[in-house]
Amino acid sequence: QKEVEQDPGPLSVPEGAIVSLNCTYSNSAFQYFMWYRQYSRKGPELLMYTYSSGNKEDGRFTAQVDKSSKYISLFIRDSQPSDSATYLCAMSFTNNAGNMLTFGGGTRLMVKP
Amino acid sequence: ETGVTQSPTHLIKTRGQQVTLRCSSQSGHNTVSWYQQALGQGPQFIFQYYREEENGRGNFPPRFSGLQFPNYSSELNVNALELDDSALYLCASSPDPGLATGELFFGEGSRLTVL
Repeated sequence: QKEVEQDPGPLSVPEGAIVSLNCTYSNSAFQYFMWYRQYSRKGPELLMYTYSSGNKEDGRFTAQVDKSSKYISLFIRDSQPSDSATYLCAMSFTNNAGNMLTFGGGTRLMVKP
Repeated sequence: ETGVTQSPTHLIKTRGQQVTLRCSSQSGHNTVSWYQQALGQGPQFIFQYYREEENGRGNFPPRFSGLQFPNYSSELNVNALELDDSALYLCASSPDPGLATGELFFGEGSRLTVL
């Protein structure tokens, strides 16, 4: 079993839809939770991060962390064709290897005009 | 401000050969991490370099090695290539080795194909 599980998709939605992307994890020691977006043939770029449980909003994006359920989500409101990409969740510990991220497998999202 | 640059962008090697991939970190960043991303998978942490020393390593064999230079640029070396080494190799830089908030800045990667 992988430490971080993510539905690979592809997830296809019409423009303007609300998108929900999710990850589950098994290691309760994870403290920081991130979402990265990766366009085809590009490196991942950080969208949002949250520390411990709770919600965080940034424009059309909302990240939620439920540590009791070991479940994190990313919501995208009013989705746009430019949001079409692979979304990767990632997690890390609060120790000296802070840059060691554990990624999920990614969910491919397609937003159709 | 220049971002993270990697070279080469694509390369093809045969099994048993050796490969060196290069990375220039973002200006002002002193820490470089390397990740392997197989097709259709998420990136996997290989190792991290800070002050020219390896200070964190994932579950990769010793034939994966690296260097960091005084200007913070880095190399990833893979010896005795295997077919399963075919992947996108991502370099990421950050301003702090202990940064746990995931604020890594990734390059576009070097795609390695092993035949």
